[in-house]
Amino acid sequence: EAGVAQSPRYKIIEKRQSVAFWCNPISGHATLYWYQQILGQGPKLLIQFQNNGVVDDSQLPKDRFSAERLKGVDSTLKIQPAKLEDSAVYLCASSHNARGTEAFFGQGTRLTVV
Amino acid sequence: AQKITQTQPGMFVQEKEAVTLDCTYDTSDQSYGLFWYKQPSSGEMIFLIYQGSYDEQNATEGRYSLNFQKARKSANLVISASQLGDSAMYFCAMRERGKSTFGDGTTLTVKP
Repeated sequence: EAGVAQSPRYKIIEKRQSVAFWCNPISGHATLYWYQQILGQGPKLLIQFQNNGVVDDSQLPKDRFSAERLKGVDSTLKIQPAKLEDSAVYLCASSHNARGTEAFFGQGTRLTVV
Repeated sequence: AQKITQTQPGMFVQEKEAVTLDCTYDTSDQSYGLFWYKQPSSGEMIFLIYQGSYDEQNATEGRYSLNFQKARKSANLVISASQLGDSAMYFCAMRERGKSTFGDGTTLTVKP
């Protein structure tokens, strides 16, 4: 079974530029999560999708962050414009459903904003 | 208020010994789930173990067990017979109403 795929693995951009991350969840997984993990902290949920609908985006800075999962499969997370404090690892995870007993994580995208 | 508290920023254990990583949580819901994940230096998050709030028995997965004390709202991870490969960051997480919250983690170092 293929795992959660994320790209790119690393990205360096200047502040005020835009960036996009891509995630392909495990086949058949209805629930998809985007997390932000700042160095030394635990992952913080940015947005959760159930199929192509948003379940929770309460911690997504909507003035600069956006995410979509148009066909209920893969997803993109965009930041525009980026700030220095956006430097973090962005983790995508998926599970069978929101009540699943485990979520599978991708390897993450390490973003550095300079 | 913190929903998940991991009070040990770092822990050391001798190879082959057991170690307990602490986790306390805060919720007013009756139905919730508790998870532990391992994050090696390579960065991927690896699921270790799950405990449902209604599960009467403590969850076990190989060398991992979860010491679930519902009244105290604690969900400590016990790793038996530590191995060098267990050196990593360990995160406790709680899911309530479909939403997950992670603690800030404990760094475990296994000494040879």
